[in-house]
Amino acid sequence: GDSVTQMEGPVTLSEEAFLTINCTYTATGYPSLFWYVQYPGEGLQLLLKATKADDKGSNKGFEATYRKETTSFHLEKGSVQVSDSAVYFCALSVSNTGNQFYFGTGTSLTVIP
Amino acid sequence: DTAVSQTPKYLVTQMGNDKSIKCEQNLGHDTMYWYKQDSKKFLKIMFSYNNKELIINETVPNRFSPKSPDKAHLNLHINSLELGDSAVYFCASSPFPGTAGTGELFFGEGSRLTVL
Repeated sequence: GDSVTQMEGPVTLSEEAFLTINCTYTATGYPSLFWYVQYPGEGLQLLLKATKADDKGSNKGFEATYRKETTSFHLEKGSVQVSDSAVYFCALSVSNTGNQFYFGTGTSLTVIP
Repeated sequence: DTAVSQTPKYLVTQMGNDKSIKCEQNLGHDTMYWYKQDSKKFLKIMFSYNNKELIINETVPNRFSPKSPDKAHLNLHINSLELGDSAVYFCASSPFPGTAGTGELFFGEGSRLTVL
């Protein structure tokens, strides 16, 4: 079945460090891939997305590339800030399953000054 | 002008009670969802409605009953509340793929339910 596996946390980094959060997926069709971010006390919001192989999603300095050959969609940021502290969720959506979304388990990131 | 709004934001109640959470979206989306997030932040899909019709109904106790009076509203009613129902419940909506965009999800702010 369709699923997402993402790196377990929690992750603690110093400000300006490089961030990678790994995400791999299994899908029967042609999924769209997403990263969502959840700041403390808030709902999830879309961070970036990619709808086909080799697409790169980017937003707020974060990037992720849809790699079909490795079934991955790793999230990266070159220099994290304290304000990036949040929980990050990798997700996929396959339209032939009634627009079902599959989420990873979430990775908690804390950035310390 | 909140896109997906849910009420109440906080709900504290006793075991055995019945409670409801309401959700409304003003995005014109066809599909709405209920997700449950536990204390470890794990998100689990509960239900999904497309244009008022149930399309996803995961293994959820039948104490949970969704109701969609129209495509802009999806309410969640919970009977005989148990301690394990304590969680944050998120409503979300998306355009059905093929109609607009990639069908990304738009979430409400969540309703934190505490069962004592």
